[in-house]
Amino acid sequence: DTEVTQTPKHLVMGMTNKKSLKCEQHMGHRAMYWYKQKAKKPPELMFVYSYEKLSINESVPSRFSPECPNSSLLNLHLHALQPEDSALYLCASSQFSGGALTDTQYFGPGTRLTVL
Amino acid sequence: AQTVTQSQPEMSVQEAETVTLSCTYDTSENNYYLFWYKQPPSRQMILVIRQEAYKQQNATENRFSVNFQKAAKSFSLKISDSQLGDTAMYFCALGEAGTALIFGKGTTLSVSS
Repeated sequence: DTEVTQTPKHLVMGMTNKKSLKCEQHMGHRAMYWYKQKAKKPPELMFVYSYEKLSINESVPSRFSPECPNSSLLNLHLHALQPEDSALYLCASSQFSGGALTDTQYFGPGTRLTVL
Repeated sequence: AQTVTQSQPEMSVQEAETVTLSCTYDTSENNYYLFWYKQPPSRQMILVIRQEAYKQQNATENRFSVNFQKAAKSFSLKISDSQLGDTAMYFCALGEAGTALIFGKGTTLSVSS
C-alpha cells in the first residue's frame, strides 16, 4: 500500500479565515513533506518533518503553520492567507533510511486551495 | 548548486510510438538518486522510475526505461508503445542526502490517437 491521503480535496477560504489541511499515511514512513504547486510548475518544497520533528523549513511565511502530531499525520494550518497563496498543496512521505532524504517520495492527490 | 534541466517544455507523440524525454543535472555528490515522476491531468504525482547513481544498470519499469549516463550527467526517460494514459507532465528530480528533492521544470507529453 503506497497511499497518501489528503483532505479536503478542495478548499475555498477568505483572507481572514483559519483552516487546516490534513495528510495521512500508513506506510511506516518517517519523513513527511508539504509542497506548494502552481499550475504547470514543479512542486516547491515548504516543510519537511523527519521523525515528527521539523527538519526543513524553506522560509515559508508564518501564515502557514505545519504540525506533525504523530508519525502518520501531518497538518498544515492556514491563517490570513493571500490570493497568491492559491495553489495545489501536495503532501508526500518517504522512508528515512540512514538519515537521508533520498528515498522515494509518495505523493497524495493534493488539496486545491483558492483564497478569495 | 544542484540543478535539474528539462529542455523540452512540450512533446507530442502518437499511440504506439516511442518517445524520449531528456533530463540533465548537476551535482558535486557521488551518491545520489534520480527520479522520473508523472503528473496526469488529475494531478496526482506518481513515481515512474528511480535510479541509484551507484548502479550502472539502467532502471526499467515495463514500458518505461532510462538511459543513465553518469559522466555526462544525463538521465533520459524512454516510453515505449505510448498509450493515451501516458499523457501527463513528467518531472525529472535529483535526490541527495540531507537536501530537498530538486525538480526540473517539467515536460508536458501529449499522446494522441
